[in-house]
This record gives sequence, structure tokens and C-alpha cells, in this order.
Amino acid sequence: AQTVTQSQPEMSVQEAETVTLSCTYDTSESDYYLFWYKQPPSRQMILVIRQEAYKQQNATENRFSVNFQKAAKSFSLKISDSQLGDAAMYFCAYRSAQYGNKLVFGAGTILRVKS
Amino acid sequence: DTAVSQTPKYLVTQMGNDKSIKCEQNLGHDTMYWYKQDSKKFLKIMFSYNNKELIINETVPNRFSPKSPDKAHLNLHINSLELGDSAVYFCASSQEIFGGYRDTQYFGPGTRLTVL
Repeated sequence: AQTVTQSQPEMSVQEAETVTLSCTYDTSESDYYLFWYKQPPSRQMILVIRQEAYKQQNATENRFSVNFQKAAKSFSLKISDSQLGDAAMYFCAYRSAQYGNKLVFGAGTILRVKS
Repeated sequence: DTAVSQTPKYLVTQMGNDKSIKCEQNLGHDTMYWYKQDSKKFLKIMFSYNNKELIINETVPNRFSPKSPDKAHLNLHINSLELGDSAVYFCASSQEIFGGYRDTQYFGPGTRLTVL
């Protein structure tokens, strides 16, 4: 079974600074998808970014980018120019390309943004 | 327009009661899901339905019964509620089971269930 590990329960960043959230996963599959979801205090789950394992190029979405290291099974999220609205719980998630479409989530990282 | 909606947003009930949570999506998606987020914020899939057919049924007690009257709706019925059922339940939908960006899951706002 696949597992996703987020080793940082909580992180802090100063407004306008850059922060990196870590995620590692365990799988024996070669084809899969990885996601970062954001959950603000409103509790809505919002997709931040996704990465296909077959793509070597790291995904980017505006201020959000990932560092995908397939051999190391690592998928970190970098947030540049942090804003107060980035404060939330961030979840890393794995989806197999073969076995249905269930998302396997990590335990989450709380991100606090200081003004 | 709300893409994935859930009712109610909050549900407080007594142990032993039976309750339902409704989910509707207006995205035209074929697949819908239920996830449970426990008190430690851990999220885990419970069920998924594709075109009204049950696809995933994780090890969930049979007190939980999903019902999909049509592709746009996936309701969750819970019998004989227990204290441990207190959690936030999220509904989600995606266009397909597999393949490209169309399998991206979009979540509803969640239903906070409190069992007293």
C-alpha cells in the first residue's frame, strides 16, 4: 500500500519570504500522480498543484512550484513571496495511475504566515 | 455557482441515531467520493462511485452506506451513530477515474458531524 509522509507538522514563514514544505511517499509503482491541496480555516479543500510522475519537468502554478525527485520519492512544495492568505493546512496526496482514483493523503503541515 | 455542495454543513446528533449527508455536483463529473477527516485532520477515502457503480469501498463499517441515485448525487447514510464517527466528511468529484487532468478531484465544503 502506498503511504505519504509529511514530516513537518508545522512551519512558519515571514510574509514575502519563501517556504518549502516537504513530502515523501512510498510506492512500488512507476506511474502515478502527486498533488498538493490547501485547507484554510474555512476547511474547503483547494487544489494547489499536481504533478504527473512520468513528467520530469517540475510543475509550477504562479507562486507555487514543486521539486519532484522521483528516485528519492520526494515531492516538496515551494511557496514564493508568501502572503497572509497562504496560511492554511497543506496536504500532500498520492494517486495511483492503476488502482482507481483514490487519493492517499499525508498528515498535513500547518503553515503560519507572519506579517 | 457551487461546484460540489454538501448538506448540511454542520450536524449534531445523539449516539444511536441514523443520519444522512447529501452531496451534489454540477460539474457533469462521472465519479464521486466520500472522504473522512478525523480530529487529527487525517483524511482518508471511504467510498467512490463511478456512474452510480461502487468502485472503492475502503474498510468502512457497514453502518455507513453510500447511495448514488444519479451521477450528480452521492449521499452518505450512517446508521447507529457512534462517538467515533465524529469527524468532517468531504464529498468530492472528478470527471474520470483515470487519465490526465480530468481525474482531478474537486472537494465540497465538508460536513462537520458531532456525535454526543
